[in-house]
Formats: sequence, structure tokens, C-alpha cells
Amino acid sequence: KNEVEQSPQNLTAQEGEFITINCSYSVGISALHWLQQHPGGGIVSLFMLSSGKKKHGRLIATINIQEKHSSLHITASHPRDSAVYICAVRCRTSYDKVIFGPGTSLSVIP
Amino acid sequence: EAGVAQSPRYKIIEKRQSVAFWCNPISGHATLYWYQQILGQGPKLLIQFQNNGVVDDSQLPKDRFSAERLKGVDSTLKIQPAKLEDSAVYLCASSLAGAQPQHFGDGTRLSIL
Repeated sequence: KNEVEQSPQNLTAQEGEFITINCSYSVGISALHWLQQHPGGGIVSLFMLSSGKKKHGRLIATINIQEKHSSLHITASHPRDSAVYICAVRCRTSYDKVIFGPGTSLSVIP
Repeated sequence: EAGVAQSPRYKIIEKRQSVAFWCNPISGHATLYWYQQILGQGPKLLIQFQNNGVVDDSQLPKDRFSAERLKGVDSTLKIQPAKLEDSAVYLCASSLAGAQPQHFGDGTRLSIL
């Protein structure tokens, strides 16, 4: 069993739809990251959170530490949101080891 | 602020050949990471440096992979000899410290023939 899992693996949505991507983890963490990766490889950090909820534009990230679960929501989705979304957790180790999930591939169709 | 620089952007070699990748982190970033990302998967940590010391290389296939970070700035990752299963994108990232957000380079896409 992977230490960080995401669902769904692939997601196709119609433009304007509300999208939810889920992340669950099995290790003790100090923080959780949501990252976006566009075709071509570049990775951009969207959020780093350790509790509660953060919002940036149309993106919302929530985390429930007790349930070891986080969600990334995209409101009013747009084709430019098409990318791979990766959840990564920062473990409570002496050197802050980061473990990445497998990613969720999102396609938003006009 | 300049980002993390990686080169080359693409590399195609035959199996059993050698290859080296270079990474220049953001100035002042003490922590440097090399990741391997196979198509359809999330990045897998190969090695993490804190300045010029190694803090985690548990998933580095040491029989064929090596990495160094001389003077605690630039880093090189080498594969010798390459195998077909090494085809992947090799990502370099850096952060101010281990607990800080990582900044990623664009990666080197390696294809083994």
C-alpha cells in the first residue's frame, strides 16, 4: 500500500464544473502540499497546509489531520486547469522527507 | 529571482551508455533534491542534499546512479550504465531548508533506446 494515495487517477470534466481531487496518507506529517504539473514537466506549488483550509482564486484546499485526508477543489473549471495535480506530504522526520502521491490527471473540456 | 535551472532538457542514449544531468538551484537554497518521475507516476526521491551533505539516498540505485553537490551549490546526477527502465523525467528541486516549499526545475527527459 502506498503511503500517499490519490483519487481519482484520471478525471474528465466539462468547463464550468466543480472538481474535487482527494488525497489520503498513512504517515505522520508536518505539512501537505498540492502541486500542479503541466505537460512538459514543470511543477508549480499551489498550496502548503497543515490544518484547516486555504483558498487562492478558484482553488480551495482542505485538510483533516485526524482523518489523514486532504481535498483540492476547483470551482468554475476551465480548460487551462487541465494538468496533473499531485499531493505530497512532508513527513515528521529529522530532514522533513517529502513523499509524493501518484497524481490525478485532469482534463477540462470546453 | 531566477528559478532552478536544469540541463540538458532532453537526452536520448542507448542502453549501457552513461549520462549526466546538471542542476543549479535557486541562490541561497540549502536543500537540493533529485527526483525520478516515470510516466504516469508521481516523483520519486532519489537523493536529498543539505548543503553538500547527503541526508537521504535510500532510493538511489547506487550500483548505477551517483550524485554530488560540490561546494553546496550546483549538483550533478550520473547514470552509468543506463538501463531501459531508467527512461523517465529527472527533476531537480531546491528549498531554503527542508521544511520550506520546494521549487522545481523543468526537468530532463531521458529516453533509453
